[in-house]
Amino acid sequence: DAGVIQSPRHEVTEMGQEVTLRCKPISGHNSLFWYRQTMMRGLELLIYFNNNVPIDDSGMPEDRFSAKMPNASFSTLKIQPSEPRDSAVYFCASSFRAERNQPQHFGDGTRLSIL
Amino acid sequence: AQSVAQPEDQVNVAEGNPLTVKCTYSVSGNPYLFWYVQYPNRGLQFLLKYITGDNLVKGSYGFEAEFNKSQTSFHLKKPSALVSDSALYFCAVREADYGGATNKLIFGTGTLLAVQP
Repeated sequence: DAGVIQSPRHEVTEMGQEVTLRCKPISGHNSLFWYRQTMMRGLELLIYFNNNVPIDDSGMPEDRFSAKMPNASFSTLKIQPSEPRDSAVYFCASSFRAERNQPQHFGDGTRLSIL
Repeated sequence: AQSVAQPEDQVNVAEGNPLTVKCTYSVSGNPYLFWYVQYPNRGLQFLLKYITGDNLVKGSYGFEAEFNKSQTSFHLKKPSALVSDSALYFCAVREADYGGATNKLIFGTGTLLAVQP
């Protein structure tokens, strides 16, 4: 079975540029999560969706960050304009329903470097 | 508020020896507990979970975890470590009960397991 698919795997861009990260959740999963991982702050939840609707975006660091889920099989995380402190590994995860006993399944992440 | 503590940044063990990776948690109600493993340049992989019932939970790759409600712990264990078990391990908790509590999964800071040949 295909897992969570993220693209690109690596992104290097200059400060001020727009960055778009993409995620395809596991088919049939209807909850989607975006995380950021850094050495300093560990794993942080940025936003999560249930049935394509954003439920909690309290972890989104600034207005420069936005996330969308136009349909059940696709989500994007956008940073505009990007800054060097946004450099991190960004993970997307999905789960079957938002029920609390369901594990989340992670993609392999996008390693983002902002120069 | 929910929280998870992994008191050890790194655990070193010789191949063939038993291993334990510690986790304690804090929730106001009943917990759902999870262990994940992360290999280099990969995402987190689900290992096992405790929902209810038997306090000893068995998971992937020979791992198991013991839920101890009185000590609010959920330690990960394996009887015989392999070099290939070397990775970063995360404990996570979510409050089981509804009623306004967040549905977020709270992760610990991770424990690096190093298994020496």
